[in-house]
Amino acid sequence: SQQGEEDPQALSIQEGENATMNCSYKTSINNLQWYRQNSGRGLVHLILIRSNEREKHSGRLRVTLDTSKKSSSLLITASRAADTASYFCATVANAGKSTFGDGTTLTVKP
Amino acid sequence: ETGVTQSPTHLIKTRGQQVTLRCSSQSGHNTVSWYQQALGQGPQFIFQYYREEENGRGNFPPRFSGLQFPNYSSELNVNALELDDSALYLCASSFGRGAETQYFGPGTRLLVL
Repeated sequence: SQQGEEDPQALSIQEGENATMNCSYKTSINNLQWYRQNSGRGLVHLILIRSNEREKHSGRLRVTLDTSKKSSSLLITASRAADTASYFCATVANAGKSTFGDGTTLTVKP
Repeated sequence: ETGVTQSPTHLIKTRGQQVTLRCSSQSGHNTVSWYQQALGQGPQFIFQYYREEENGRGNFPPRFSGLQFPNYSSELNVNALELDDSALYLCASSFGRGAETQYFGPGTRLLVL
């Protein structure tokens, strides 16, 4: 079974709006990472947040981590049509081995 | 672009056949991990190779095997193909056994008929 579960499964918004995706996981982690995937191609690493961090920013991305609730969220601000993709969270408990959820499919309408 | 390449990009096989997928890691990376991604699902960890030795394996049967070469490129071999093996196979390279960040290749899409 997957460690992480993203919510919602699908999200459709208008360009310029913010998009929020959530990830829940089951066991203790070293870090949690968010990836993006366009149309069944390779994954692109977006951001990593360590278990002792609560929030991290990178450009239009903001990630939060709540280890007490075993959950994380990814916020994309001022979304663009080019942000249309699937977004996955991945937890790393053992060195180098990432466990992925089934992703959130984001559609940003121009 | 991550510098990780995979070949072939697409492949069609029939049940019972064997397949070999290849991955060239990013320059300077000595660790390669392989993942299977079924349609509509997230990637599932198959195994990882660090400096030519297997360094962890996911819940996949022994007919999934791998190799890592001295130049740190890698192969994934799947014997006795089954219909459920149809998926996107991704490799990811990193530096070190405990690397936090992996860089993914574009994947090989395998269809088993």
